Amino acid sequence: NAGVTQTPKFQVLKTGQSMTLQCAQDMNHEYMSWYRQDPGMGLRLIHYSVGAGITDQGEVPNGYNVSRSTTEDFPLRLLSAAPSQTSVYFCASSYSTGLAGVEQFFGPGTRLTVL
Amino acid sequence: GQQVMQIPQYQHVQEGEDFTTYCNSSTTLSNIQWYKQRPGGHPVFLIQLVKSGEVKKQKRLTFQFGEAKKNSSLHITATQTTDVGTYFCAGLYTSGTYKYIFGTGTRLKVLA
Repeated sequence: NAGVTQTPKFQVLKTGQSMTLQCAQDMNHEYMSWYRQDPGMGLRLIHYSVGAGITDQGEVPNGYNVSRSTTEDFPLRLLSAAPSQTSVYFCASSYSTGLAGVEQFFGPGTRLTVL
Repeated sequence: GQQVMQIPQYQHVQEGEDFTTYCNSSTTLSNIQWYKQRPGGHPVFLIQLVKSGEVKKQKRLTFQFGEAKKNSSLHITATQTTDVGTYFCAGLYTSGTYKYIFGTGTRLKVLA
């Protein structure tokens, strides 16, 4: 099992450019999510999905789009990058067992800089 | 909105000293999870607490969930240099959604 994989590891964008951060998992997990991590801010939830075809907003969704066409993949799209989106982005996945919650497995992260 | 406050933000201890980090929520949690992130790494799951007043131990680590399910703590006994990293709590609210709200984390440095 590769677990949760993210590409690219590093990315530099210019303001206004668009890009897609890729996330894939091979554990057949239903639940997937995207977080951003900024110094002193912890991890903040951007978007999440409880299964293929179902997505919902987290705490900080503005400027980001997601889709979930397959169980394995959960890409995060930046439509028009802004310097405020400079951050480290983590994708996570877990089994979905109702409100009891389960362990989240995190990918290695993508370090994004927007100039 | 829902918030999870975590203190302290930083903690430097001498190797062998104890360490505690605390999480507090303004509203009741369904459960709380704890994660550890090594410098330059990604968060790694440590444990999940579900029941009111629950206490769990993992070797030198003791995790507690408050009676009102609004607060939690992680205590490390006799810290070692391998304990270095940032410890996060993550609360799941009883809102019918899967929104985990993370605390801001406590960065632990252990001086040998």
